[in-house]
Amino acid sequence: DTAVSQTPKYLVTQMGNDKSIKCEQNLGHDTMYWYKQDSKKFLKIMFSYNNKELIINETVPNRFSPKSPDKAHLNLHINSLELGDSAVYFCASSQGGANPADTQYFGPGTRLTVL
Amino acid sequence: AQSVAQPEDQVNVAEGNPLTVKCTYSVSGNPYLFWYVQYPNRGLQFLLKYITGDNLVKGSYGFEAEFNKSQTSFHLKKPSALVSDSALYFCAVRDARGYQKVTFGTGTKLQVIP
Repeated sequence: DTAVSQTPKYLVTQMGNDKSIKCEQNLGHDTMYWYKQDSKKFLKIMFSYNNKELIINETVPNRFSPKSPDKAHLNLHINSLELGDSAVYFCASSQGGANPADTQYFGPGTRLTVL
Repeated sequence: AQSVAQPEDQVNVAEGNPLTVKCTYSVSGNPYLFWYVQYPNRGLQFLLKYITGDNLVKGSYGFEAEFNKSQTSFHLKKPSALVSDSALYFCAVRDARGYQKVTFGTGTKLQVIP
């Protein structure tokens, strides 16, 4: 059973298009995250939701819009894709709350290539 | 602000030898420290974490990490490296205050040579 799953695994698209990436977790966790990993493997948090409420919103262009229909799902919609959006996007989840020892569990990633 | 540094982009070690992957951190409060491993074309997998208490933390796959408060370090270690340990290793830190994000290091590529 896949704990944190993402679809699609690969996404190739043209500049200017709009695309979505979906994430689902079956761990019963309350908190979900989106991370971006660039070509140098740097990992940067983008957003975090706790029980469908946005709690972390880093400096991300407003072309990126997360949506959490329920606490098991967190989708990422990207408008007007640019070349610089090419990266691997990881979804993660954790039990959440204000526990600093909270451990995050990552999905397999979605490799986005913008042409 | 919290930060974490992994000073080595790559560490090479011969199979069977001990390995160390270095990490230093900076937080304003008590640190909560994590190590993750990323195999090629995969997501990050949790290895171990330091919360409080014993400075030597044991984790998955025979890895352990030593917390040193005076040196603000949390180095990852393994007594005997395996070729299958070759991967990208990330150190991460979060401070103790509420809903704080986790800050990841830049990653260290471990290459275990047969």
